[in-house]
Amino acid sequence: GENVEQHPSTLSVQEGDSAVIKCTYSDSASNYFPWYKQELGKGPQLIIDIRSNVGEKKDQRIAVTLNKTAKHFSLHITETQPEDSAVYFCAASKYAGGTSYGKLTFGQGTILTVHP
Amino acid sequence: DGGITQSPKYLFRKEGQNVTLSCEQNLNHDAMYWYRQDPGQGLRLIYYSQIVNDFQKGDIAEGYSVSREKKESFPLTVTSAQKNPTAFYLCASSRQGRPNEKLFFGSGTQLSVL
Repeated sequence: GENVEQHPSTLSVQEGDSAVIKCTYSDSASNYFPWYKQELGKGPQLIIDIRSNVGEKKDQRIAVTLNKTAKHFSLHITETQPEDSAVYFCAASKYAGGTSYGKLTFGQGTILTVHP
Repeated sequence: DGGITQSPKYLFRKEGQNVTLSCEQNLNHDAMYWYRQDPGQGLRLIYYSQIVNDFQKGDIAEGYSVSREKKESFPLTVTSAQKNPTAFYLCASSRQGRPNEKLFFGSGTQLSVL
């Protein structure tokens, strides 16, 4: 089955700096890669996702890049703010179309701390 | 407000006891899921259901049971067979259960063993 490795496990930055979190996946057939943000005491929320036919996607201060050849994808947060402090999870799945079910496999999570 | 409601927020289990975690959604989603979260291990799938009266085992189903009698509800029972139940449990839903759909999560239940 799919295996997703996420690094680093913890990341500490100063406010205004950029933060990068990287994930690798094992199944070359995976074609959907979301990122979830989990604030303390809450459930994860989807912040951005990318599909395998796209190399990069941006949404304001966050961006995700995908390298299918190397089987890795990364989350980039620019101009970090204290409210970006949270646990971030990457995930991967493959969708074969129709009503088929494919499991979403999560990485281990990265604790991001943004210091004011 | 539409969303996923999990209860209770904190739950304590005694040795040999079964406990049930509640999950209700009013998003009219077909699919519902239970994940277990342990520090440093990400989210691991326990059970999922794509439709009422049907559910499937995930990666770590041993010691757990579920039911899906109503579209809105997907309770999880942690049985006495689960030897290491202490964890944060998350319920989620998605529109149709496709693997490229957004998951909507509840706020979780922290289960501890007394």
